[in-house]
Amino acid sequence: DAKTTQPTSMDCAEGRAANLPCNHSTISGNEYVYWYRQIHSQGPQYIIHGLKNNETNEMASLIITEDRKSSTLILPHATLRDTAVYYCIVTHNAGNMLTFGGGTRLMVKP
Amino acid sequence: EPEVTQTPSHQVTQMGQEVILRCVPISNHLYFYWYRQILGQKVEFLVSFYNNEISEKSEIFDDQFSVERPDGSNFTLKIRSTKLEDSAMYFCASKVGRLKETQYFGPGTRLLVL
Repeated sequence: DAKTTQPTSMDCAEGRAANLPCNHSTISGNEYVYWYRQIHSQGPQYIIHGLKNNETNEMASLIITEDRKSSTLILPHATLRDTAVYYCIVTHNAGNMLTFGGGTRLMVKP
Repeated sequence: EPEVTQTPSHQVTQMGQEVILRCVPISNHLYFYWYRQILGQKVEFLVSFYNNEISEKSEIFDDQFSVERPDGSNFTLKIRSTKLEDSAMYFCASKVGRLKETQYFGPGTRLLVL
């Protein structure tokens, strides 16, 4: 699976949009971009995934660049409960294990 | 909304003892996983399980570990003789099928080996 690079930490003001970047310059054509988050020591929570088109669900939006070498997870109106570590994972759809990196620690501040 | 459940939430054991961690995956899921996270470190893959056999395992998953699906609902991880370094959060995950990559994780079991 392709390696990803994320900033170690980010801050966001409550109510503002949180934009979390991820670089995956070695992504191959059949690899998906997945985002999970982990609040404190809870189990990783699935957020969203995409292949090449932008995606939106009730939690977030995922913007993937045209060359697919990077993506951005957008939390449109961050709340204090969105404080977590966010993981960007690139994997084949038929792959088995998920490889977690260090993620981005997002701190939402009042 | 269906979710993965795990028991116990916390387990304290003595070094050398056997522990069994239990998971109930989402009911229509066919692929099952165990991951662990040592305090302050990354989430690490241990093993995947499909059709009553291990499909992939990491170097961490040595002979001290085993997995089993003893009935139609439970999925267990057994550590035969625990070591201090087995202290970690253990997460179970499941997904529907091979081409559906979204794995859903349980809340975890915190294992402390003394």
